[in-house]
Amino acid sequence: AQSVTQPDIHITVSEGASLELRCNYSYGATPYLFWYVQSPGQGLQLLLKYFSGDTLVQGIKGFEAEFKRSQSSFNLRKPSVHWSDAAEYFCAVADTGGFKTIFGAGTRLFVKA
Amino acid sequence: EAGVAQSPRYKIIEKRQSVAFWCNPISGHATLYWYQQILGQGPKLLIQFQNNGVVDDSQLPKDRFSAERLKGVDSTLKIQPAKLEDSAVYLCASSSAAGGLDEQFFGPGTRLTVL
Repeated sequence: AQSVTQPDIHITVSEGASLELRCNYSYGATPYLFWYVQSPGQGLQLLLKYFSGDTLVQGIKGFEAEFKRSQSSFNLRKPSVHWSDAAEYFCAVADTGGFKTIFGAGTRLFVKA
Repeated sequence: EAGVAQSPRYKIIEKRQSVAFWCNPISGHATLYWYQQILGQGPKLLIQFQNNGVVDDSQLPKDRFSAERLKGVDSTLKIQPAKLEDSAVYLCASSSAAGGLDEQFFGPGTRLTVL
């Protein structure tokens, strides 16, 4: 069965600094991977997804993620964080049938001025 | 286009009472999901519908939880009787295609507190 681990419960970054959120997955075949963001009081929103092809995926709001099969990782990055990026970020993996999406426990991002 | 609508937004009940949540997905979306998000955890899929048929309900506690999707549009999730551990945010999501590979659009959720 697939699983997702987000090692960092919370991260604090200064505004303008770079960001990397870690995600490790466990799945026997080629996974389908996602990053979602959940802002306070709002529903989850898809940032980006990886199905196949180029291992560096561009998303909305200036985010990108890189799929590394050898490390079973799909880390999310942003070169310069804005205060509005403060939110909770979830990594998720879907099975090849796409019929079940498993979410990680989330990483809460705090942005300091 | 209008997003996924859920009601109520908040609900407080006592244990052993029953409660129902309603979800209206984005128009035309074939697939509807109900997730349970306990504080400090990621969303956990409870049930997935495609049109009005159930695709996956393997993690739905069927002794107390039930869900239906009438006419392949709106959906209702019911808990009867509620337990303390059911306190969570219940998220509804929808997607246009079958399966989880298409983007899921989430509603704002219903926060349930069981006392």
